Amino acid sequence: AQSVTQLDSQVPVFEEAPVELRCNYSSSVSVYLFWYVQYPNQGLQLLLKYLSGSTLVKGINGFEAEFNKSQTSFHLRKPSVHISDTAEYFCAVSDLGNTGKLIFGQGTTLQVKP
Amino acid sequence: GAVVSQHPSWVICKSGTSVKIECRSLDFQATTMFWYRQFPKQSLMLMATSNEGSKATYEQGVEKDKFLINHASLTLSTLTVTSAHPEDSSFYICSARGPLATGELFFGEGSRLTVL
Repeated sequence: AQSVTQLDSQVPVFEEAPVELRCNYSSSVSVYLFWYVQYPNQGLQLLLKYLSGSTLVKGINGFEAEFNKSQTSFHLRKPSVHISDTAEYFCAVSDLGNTGKLIFGQGTTLQVKP
Repeated sequence: GAVVSQHPSWVICKSGTSVKIECRSLDFQATTMFWYRQFPKQSLMLMATSNEGSKATYEQGVEKDKFLINHASLTLSTLTVTSAHPEDSSFYICSARGPLATGELFFGEGSRLTVL
């Protein structure tokens, strides 16, 4: 079974500052990793995903994440945030057995202040 | 990218009534869809896996008779909340596996259910 832990429930940051949202996972098998963003009262939008290959993954809206197998982490970063990045961010893991199930972390609220 | 649409976006109903939520894959066929429930300020909880042409697979603790799932075609899955009660009020989100075997899911916009 897989599990995901997002270490910070809330991350306040000033506009144009860098940010890192942390995610650790546990699994006995190889996995796919995802970051999703959710704006209030909306569904989820994929930011980026790691399937294989390069451990540094670039996504939409200037976000990137680095897969670290030894530390079982998949932290999300952005060098300069905007007010519009204020949202809930979810890290998720899926097994390679392709059941399609996603297991989500608890979510991190990114609050960008002017 | 692939598009998944949910309907209705918002629904308010009286206690004891049943509510149906639809999840459609608009530009691809989805043999498997998933239904999640999200409480305020919380993460998504997988409720069940909906398989086209067969019975849904429910996660532990989810009442099958309360949350009826039907996946009658390759582009439509429905979730019916039967005899709804205020504690069923929640945000329900569906997702579908995309056309490529990459593990990526595409999510609907979500449906906010409020039971009075």
